[in-house]
Amino acid sequence: QITLRESGPTLIKPTQTLTLTCSFSGFSLSTDDVGVGWIRQPPGKALEWLAMVYPSDEKPYWPSLKNRLTISKDTSRNLVVLRMTDMDPVDTATYFCVHRRSFGFFDTWGQGILVTVSS
Amino acid sequence: EIVLTQSPATLSLSPGERATLFCRASESVGSELGWYQQKPGRAPRLLISDVSNRAPAFPDRFRGSGFGTYFTLTISSLEPEDSAVYFCQQRANWPITFGQGTRLAIK
Repeated sequence: QITLRESGPTLIKPTQTLTLTCSFSGFSLSTDDVGVGWIRQPPGKALEWLAMVYPSDEKPYWPSLKNRLTISKDTSRNLVVLRMTDMDPVDTATYFCVHRRSFGFFDTWGQGILVTVSS
Repeated sequence: EIVLTQSPATLSLSPGERATLFCRASESVGSELGWYQQKPGRAPRLLISDVSNRAPAFPDRFRGSGFGTYFTLTISSLEPEDSAVYFCQQRANWPITFGQGTRLAIK
């Protein structure tokens, strides 16, 4: 059974850097043909894909956020970390960790973590 | 980026009726289009992949169709638990994109 769980701060100040951690189980990000990534959803709005990481260390990013995002993996600890710099109130959203088989659809989601950006 | 436009934005129907949701792509995505169901306060769930492959957890009342730039999600004989927001998503090209969603309310 594949599980994903997000952790990190729920309140962050403008200009600070957000660091979110996804702890996963049920697969290997070093040997399996899978990808782990992040999707966010502002309150009441649509889903926005942010970044993915693969066993090959390929790391596609949402183009307009590429300069602010860094995704990394720790395969020994089954963790994926997303860093987002220069946070702004418009970045307030629920951030989901997601799993996909190879380049398929997102078949497993974490419960999400609501991050509020406010001074 | 490929823009996905969903219509209608909201839909209000009665139990037993048929719902038809649309997703139009700004350029062809072939058959690499999926649908998700999201209920309030919950993460989305993959409903349909590659146009018409329904996830095992969902009943066959849910049907997907289409190709290229025009796609449809049909829910026949609506049940109260079908009340949710439905999003389409393409995986044909980077960046991965989603539609803005259709909110389905069951009266």
